[in-house]
Amino acid sequence: DAGITQSPRHKVTETGTPVTLRCHQTENHRYMYWYRQDPGHGLRLIHYSYGVKDTDKGEVSDGYSVSRSKTEDFLLTLESATSSQTSVYFCAISDGTDSSYNSPLHFGNGTRLTVT
Amino acid sequence: AQSVTQPDIHITVSEGASLELRCNYSYGATPYLFWYVQSPGQGLQLLLKYFSGDTLVQGIKGFEAEFKRSQSSFNLRKPSVHWSDAAEYFCAVGSYNNNDMRFGAGTRLTVKP
Repeated sequence: DAGITQSPRHKVTETGTPVTLRCHQTENHRYMYWYRQDPGHGLRLIHYSYGVKDTDKGEVSDGYSVSRSKTEDFLLTLESATSSQTSVYFCAISDGTDSSYNSPLHFGNGTRLTVT
Repeated sequence: AQSVTQPDIHITVSEGASLELRCNYSYGATPYLFWYVQSPGQGLQLLLKYFSGDTLVQGIKGFEAEFKRSQSSFNLRKPSVHWSDAAEYFCAVGSYNNNDMRFGAGTRLTVKP
């Protein structure tokens, strides 16, 4: 299994508070992703990174920011959490060298976030 | 942008019966297609992928999928389902244009004894 660790695994927070989720990989892969999973929607891409300090928006990026200061760490921040951001968040990595669309993804075990 | 449709939200099959999970995609160019499986409380695990070549691809755990360009489909099959196959299954398509991967909403599989 790919070495991907997400922390925390569970978090409950209040509306309006900032939240940071962490993804740590030990595979030295170039691409890292944050997805959210909601019933009826499958997984939707929030942001992704194709290298240190190189990030781009995904399908549902509003209200989220990311940072990647080291190859192994990819942080997802909710600056001011809202109830609509209650979801399960998955980090994924891929070993694609030139692109992110044709390489299989390896997923962490997810972070369940509840915003009350 | 590309899109993926999994028409069946929930499927129930008896152990030992055959299984087919449907996946339809919308994408103008040659797609990169994937099937993933998710057990409760876990992340997704790759079952198989199709990039080019033989349209029938074999994956792990005895699964296979067939790419049919004329029908824009990539259905997942297994000849004989085991109780341990109960999980949620996701089809995904990779897009060169968007440089990302889009997932279907998933099909939950229940296996009856």
